[in-house]
Amino acid sequence: AQSVSQHNHHVILSEAASLELGCNYSYGGTVNLFWYVQYPGQHLQLLLKYFSGDPLVKGIKGFEAEFIKSKFSFNLRKPSVQWSDTAEYFCAVNATAGNKLTFGGGTRVLVKP
Amino acid sequence: EAGVAQSPRYKIIEKRQSVAFWCNPISGHATLYWYQQILGQGPKLLIQFQNNGVVDDSQLPKDRFSAERLKGVDSTLKIQPAKLEDSAVYLCASSAHPGQGNEKLFFGSGTQLSVL
Repeated sequence: AQSVSQHNHHVILSEAASLELGCNYSYGGTVNLFWYVQYPGQHLQLLLKYFSGDPLVKGIKGFEAEFIKSKFSFNLRKPSVQWSDTAEYFCAVNATAGNKLTFGGGTRVLVKP
Repeated sequence: EAGVAQSPRYKIIEKRQSVAFWCNPISGHATLYWYQQILGQGPKLLIQFQNNGVVDDSQLPKDRFSAERLKGVDSTLKIQPAKLEDSAVYLCASSAHPGQGNEKLFFGSGTQLSVL
């Protein structure tokens, strides 16, 4: 069975700081990888996804993520955060052989103005 | 376009009572999902429908949870009887292109259930 680990539960940083959120998954086969974000008071929405091709994926709002197959990782990055990036971020994986999206536990990010 | 609609937004019940949640997916979306999100955890898939058929319900506690999508459009999720540990946000999501595994899910705002 597939599983997803997000190592940081809470992250606090100041505006303009760089952000990197870790995500590791366990599954031996081919996977599709996602980052979803939930802003305060809003519903979950897709930030970016990877399913093939260039392992460096660019998403909305200046976010990017890099798939490193050998490390089973899909870390999310943003070079310079803004106060509006305060949200909860969820990594998710879907085995291409199946169709069940498994989420990590989430990382709450607080950006101080 | 209209998003995924869920109701009610909040529900408070006592243990052993019954409760039902409703979801209307984005028009034309064939796949519908119900997720349970316990405080401090990520969403966990309860059941996935493809049109009106069940694709995956392996994590649905079938002794107390049931779900249906009779006409392949809207769906209801029921808990009977509720337990304290069912307190969570119940999220509905839909997607347009089933079966590929790389499709984007559109989520509703969820129903926050508190079982006292």
